[in-house]
Amino acid sequence: SQQGEEDPQALSIQEGENATMNCSYKTSINNLQWYRQNSGRGLVHLILIRSNEREKHSGRLRVTLDTSKKSSSLLITASRAADTASYFCATDADTNAGKSTFGDGTTLTVKP
Amino acid sequence: NAGVTQTPKFQVLKTGQSMTLQCAQDMNHNSMYWYRQDPGMGLRLIYYSASEGTTDKGEVPNGYNVSRLNKREFSLRLESAAPSQTSVYFCASSDWTGKRNTEAFFGQGTRLTVV
Repeated sequence: SQQGEEDPQALSIQEGENATMNCSYKTSINNLQWYRQNSGRGLVHLILIRSNEREKHSGRLRVTLDTSKKSSSLLITASRAADTASYFCATDADTNAGKSTFGDGTTLTVKP
Repeated sequence: NAGVTQTPKFQVLKTGQSMTLQCAQDMNHNSMYWYRQDPGMGLRLIYYSASEGTTDKGEVPNGYNVSRLNKREFSLRLESAAPSQTSVYFCASSDWTGKRNTEAFFGQGTRLTVV
């Protein structure tokens, strides 16, 4: 079964707006990662946040992690049409072989 | 730097046929993984290899076998393809050192259709 569940399943916004996606998970984790997948392509790593971190930034991306609520959010500021993609959270519940468990993703559409 | 390379990119098989999906990484990573992605869903782990010479089952291993040929290469074999194995298959690698998880690097995927 999937560990992470993203919400919403689909999000459509105008260019320049902010996009927020949420991820909830069930068991304790060591890390949580966010990936982007453009249509028909492989996944690209965006950011990794460790369980002892609460917030991380990378360019226009801001990730928060609330381990007490078992949830994370990904904020993309000043979105661009090129941000159109599916976004997945991946939880690392143990350090065995570096395995991650992926959610079903949020499909983001940014309209020009 | 090629990263993770998968072949083939597309494949159509008849039910009962066998095939091997190839994956190679040039980043000297210890760990390699095979995932499948069904429409509208996330990735599910089929098999993984923590280091050269070791392989272990993931979440959905039935109907598949793997070989970690060397540190660079990790192949996935379907012995007798079934329509339920129609999916997009992704290979990934990471520089897992046994202590902390790190980011994974993905190939471009193999789109497999079993008719």
